[in-house]
Amino acid sequence: GDSVTQMEGPVTLSEEAFLTINCTYTATGYPSLFWYVQYPGEGLQLLLKATKADDKGSNKGFEATYRKETTSFHLEKGSVQVSDSAVYFCALRTQGGSEKLVFGKGTKLTVNP
Amino acid sequence: DAGVIQSPRHEVTEMGQEVTLRCKPISGHNSLFWYRQTMMRGLELLIYFNNNVPIDDSGMPEDRFSAKMPNASFSTLKIQPSEPRDSAVYFCASSFRRIYEQYFGPGTRLTVT
Repeated sequence: GDSVTQMEGPVTLSEEAFLTINCTYTATGYPSLFWYVQYPGEGLQLLLKATKADDKGSNKGFEATYRKETTSFHLEKGSVQVSDSAVYFCALRTQGGSEKLVFGKGTKLTVNP
Repeated sequence: DAGVIQSPRHEVTEMGQEVTLRCKPISGHNSLFWYRQTMMRGLELLIYFNNNVPIDDSGMPEDRFSAKMPNASFSTLKIQPSEPRDSAVYFCASSFRRIYEQYFGPGTRLTVT
């Protein structure tokens, strides 16, 4: 079945450091890919998305590129801030218009001042 | 817009008791999703509705779990009887039509002792 694998956390960085959170997926066809963020005590929020190969999603300084050849959608940010501390989830939605999202287990990021 | 509203935010109950979680989706959204989040299993889709009709309940763990959506503005997730392994954060999410972005509520943290 479809699945998403994220790098194990937690990840701890200093402010202004470079961030990469790895995400790979297994799916048939051409899924849509997403990154969600969950701040403490809150629900998940969509951070960015990409719907086809080579698309780059971006938002709030975060970027991720849909790589079909490596089945990956790694999240990056050039300079993290303390306010970026949260749990980040990679997810996919299978081709065909299904409403179901399949999530990775999440990666907790802590940014220290 | 008030966003997705869930109640209660926290619930502590004893094993064997009935638990009812409530969700009010964003007005105008016609798809509603119930998720469960645990450390061990991550975020799992339990059931989702489209136009108040259950479309896929394959994620419902067992017959102790049931969900209803009597109208477009209200849904419940019931556990009867509850067990300690049901302890988790339960999220409700809604979206406007198929494949659109899912908006998550703040979640209900359930503790069964």
